[in-house]
Amino acid sequence: DTGVSQDPRHKITKRGQNVTFRCDPISEHNRLYWYRQTLGQGPEFLTYFQNEAQLEKSRLLSDRFSAERPKGSFSTLEIQRTEQGDSAMYLCASSLASGMEHNEQFFGPGTRLTVL
Amino acid sequence: GQNIDQPTEMTATEGAIVQINCTYQTSGFNGLFWYQQHAGEAPTFLSYNVLDGLEEKGRFSSFLSRSKGYSYLLLKELQMKDSASYLCAVMDSNYQLIWGAGTKLIIKP
Repeated sequence: DTGVSQDPRHKITKRGQNVTFRCDPISEHNRLYWYRQTLGQGPEFLTYFQNEAQLEKSRLLSDRFSAERPKGSFSTLEIQRTEQGDSAMYLCASSLASGMEHNEQFFGPGTRLTVL
Repeated sequence: GQNIDQPTEMTATEGAIVQINCTYQTSGFNGLFWYQQHAGEAPTFLSYNVLDGLEEKGRFSSFLSRSKGYSYLLLKELQMKDSASYLCAVMDSNYQLIWGAGTKLIIKP
């Protein structure tokens, strides 16, 4: 257990439905990342936050994806009008970054999404 | 473009030594990470290299050559629990992690 939690762990939904995932990072960590991972591939960057500010969003991310971190603590990732291609493991990671130092990212257990 | 290359799969024998290579081409370099990922689980941090040379941590060591865009992860005294995927990731000039696809390591008795 890294101290990063994600909820739910598994989600099965029908195509066209909206889903929302939650991530609770390690409390003192100011950076929070969202990744997507499919079988046999490394994590694919989606977006990240420094405190409550969303600093970068992958150009591969469609407008159906949105993420928030309203109080700089937990974060939510919403996928609207899900498609079968959205089926993947969604990973959240947090880190403590100050200035130019970048420490390791600690990953949560992931949310496995299956779109039928 | 940015690219991380590592072998797809390797097989080794329990008690032996294995070296997993990683080559990279990225826009900038702010360090290289190795993560271990067991099937169905999240990645866990193994090592971080930002300067050339060898970093040793117990049974695991990681080497970096920035001029060659090359790193390796060395695992000694292999145990069955070391069967996992090993992910190489480079932090680019924007301090984002660029990930390889991972090397699946199979340990045989």
